[in-house]
Amino acid sequence: AQKITQTQPGMFVQEKEAVTLDCTYDTSDPSYGLFWYKQPSSGEMIFLIYQGSYDQQNATEGRYSLNFQKARKSANLVISASQLGDSAMYFCAMREIRTDSWGKFQFGAGTQVVVTP
Amino acid sequence: DTGVSQDPRHKITKRGQNVTFRCDPISEHNRLYWYRQTLGQGPEFLTYFQNEAQLEKSRLLSDRFSAERPKGSFSTLEIQRTEQGDSAMYLCASSSPEGGRTPSSGELFFGEGSRLTVL
Repeated sequence: AQKITQTQPGMFVQEKEAVTLDCTYDTSDPSYGLFWYKQPSSGEMIFLIYQGSYDQQNATEGRYSLNFQKARKSANLVISASQLGDSAMYFCAMREIRTDSWGKFQFGAGTQVVVTP
Repeated sequence: DTGVSQDPRHKITKRGQNVTFRCDPISEHNRLYWYRQTLGQGPEFLTYFQNEAQLEKSRLLSDRFSAERPKGSFSTLEIQRTEQGDSAMYLCASSSPEGGRTPSSGELFFGEGSRLTVL
């Protein structure tokens, strides 16, 4: 069963505007971590931001923030003040903390973001 | 450079041949992961190691795939009797030790990948 769902295959955003990338997840475990990665056309996977299931506050890292809504199992990424260099594929990922899957990260299908001038 | 390194970066082979990829993780990382990524898709979990122990292997992984991490440092991923459907980017990642079974960052650090093309 799909654990991570990213419903937006692609998005256009104008430079300097904010963009929200959707991510919903499915788990029955109380302990898990949520991650966002960026993959530019060059191919490398770049870690952006992390949210733990027990964290009370939404994570922020510079222009990136994570809108964590635990009850809705939602972990949307917000990129503020978009830059041309933000054009990339963005992946949401989850790691469940339980005996039979300790450590395994599962990724969504990704959202392609294109920032236009 | 102390990042994750993968070799070779590109491999073109004929159907039926065997191929092997190598991954050198970040030296202090005890966890090593292999993922497969096809065009336009997210990384698909294959297997992972903690030190030299292979802790989990995807049920999607056929018997033609085998991975090892003999001394808990570098790892190899071998694909026997390659098929055209094996064409993909094979990503290796490592992560740092975690203090306990509580959520902590422990994010994956990825290599640049090994692209396999099976003709």
